[in-house]
Amino acid sequence: DMKVTQMPRYLIKRMGENVLLECGQDMSHETMYWYRQDPGLGLQLIYISYDVDSNSEGDIPKGYRVSRKKREHFSLILDSAKTNQTSVYFCASSLSGRQDTQYFGPGTRLLVL
Amino acid sequence: GDSVTQTEGLVTLTKGLPVMLNCTYQTTYSPFLFWYVQHLNEAPKLLLKSSTDNKRTEHQGFYATLHKSSSSFHLQKSSVQLSDSALYFCALSDPGTQVVGQLTFGRGTRLQVYA
Repeated sequence: DMKVTQMPRYLIKRMGENVLLECGQDMSHETMYWYRQDPGLGLQLIYISYDVDSNSEGDIPKGYRVSRKKREHFSLILDSAKTNQTSVYFCASSLSGRQDTQYFGPGTRLLVL
Repeated sequence: GDSVTQTEGLVTLTKGLPVMLNCTYQTTYSPFLFWYVQHLNEAPKLLLKSSTDNKRTEHQGFYATLHKSSSSFHLQKSSVQLSDSALYFCALSDPGTQVVGQLTFGRGTRLQVYA
């Protein structure tokens, strides 16, 4: 059963705290993604990873960084979280990118106070 | 740059009626178009996809035809059900994009079906 997992599912942090969001996939997909979803804005790409230690910025990378040390894991890090980073974060994976179907995780709801 | 436009933010319908959700796009290259569906508090899931001009693609009662001449990929269903209530995203993959594999998403159309 193809699956993308995300931890934690819900998170409350204070402004200035560090945040670590984790994503895993069991499909041996090369490409992984981090998106944020805000009402009325659709899904915005933060970072894309093509394989271990091969990451590229998406449309809104400012304030975020990523880490991919194993093909099946992709982490999103917020150093010193800001209130405008309150959002729902989705991780996704695809076989190799381009026209491949992206499989999404269940999302992490992050509230930064 | 690439863009995807979904003109309706909210579509409300009574069950059993037909629906069409609009999607138009702008790109320089030959595109691959997707429709993703997201039910409340769930992850987005692929509904259907296409890169073939003028060919109808179908899945789970929904269908769409990519028309490159009008840069459109509208989603249709002949008879909506209560379970079709969800957020629908149109997305574009452009082989010429600088970030390989990036999808450009529209803002989404929420479909609300009433009994």
